[in-house]
Amino acid sequence: GAVVSQHPSWVICKSGTSVKIECRSLDFQATTMFWYRQFPKQSLMLMATSNEGSKATYEQGVEKDKFLINHASLTLSTLTVTSAHPEDSSFYICSVMGDRGNNQPQHFGDGTRLSIL
Amino acid sequence: AQKVTQAQTEISVVEKEDVTLDCVYETRDTTYYLFWYKQPPSGELVFLIRRNSFDEQNEISGRYSWNFQKSTSSFNFTITASQVVDSAVYFCALSEDYQGGKLIFGQGTELSVKP
Repeated sequence: GAVVSQHPSWVICKSGTSVKIECRSLDFQATTMFWYRQFPKQSLMLMATSNEGSKATYEQGVEKDKFLINHASLTLSTLTVTSAHPEDSSFYICSVMGDRGNNQPQHFGDGTRLSIL
Repeated sequence: AQKVTQAQTEISVVEKEDVTLDCVYETRDTTYYLFWYKQPPSGELVFLIRRNSFDEQNEISGRYSWNFQKSTSSFNFTITASQVVDSAVYFCALSEDYQGGKLIFGQGTELSVKP
């Protein structure tokens, strides 16, 4: 079964709207989650590292005030795209670091397709 | 800086052909991890393999095989007797963390297998 649940799967909204994407770890506690963005026909680029109970670490060029990340519990991280515009339309995918003890690679959610009109 | 290059943007083959997807990486780390992921049209990432920098043994899993050569900084992926269901975008990725962590992805290779 799924290890990571990402919601919603897709969203279409008007320019200027804020959109929240949830990433839930279903099978284990995750102190670290990652958020990636993928534009059409392009690669996945790491946006930020989400750390439970502390501020997220953003990659260079990613606006932290634009992409708000909250990791308030060990099973949930949220990414909020504030005042979204058409250029924010993309595929957003989260991943969860597995339990260090079982040597599992990180688990990815199924992604969220965001379309801003 | 770390970098992954997949020079083949698109590959088209006919079913049952063998196909090799190339991956070249750059890193200054002595310990690193290489990954391959499959992304079907539905978008999810499917983990295929992880290899650490100290293990240069080639690996075979069914129709899939991987050739890791540190001397050329390459980690190529071969699909034998390709099938239509293999059609997807394939990503090679690099990380300093054995669980992946902050993955550096290549540009991806879109494989189209025609019947």
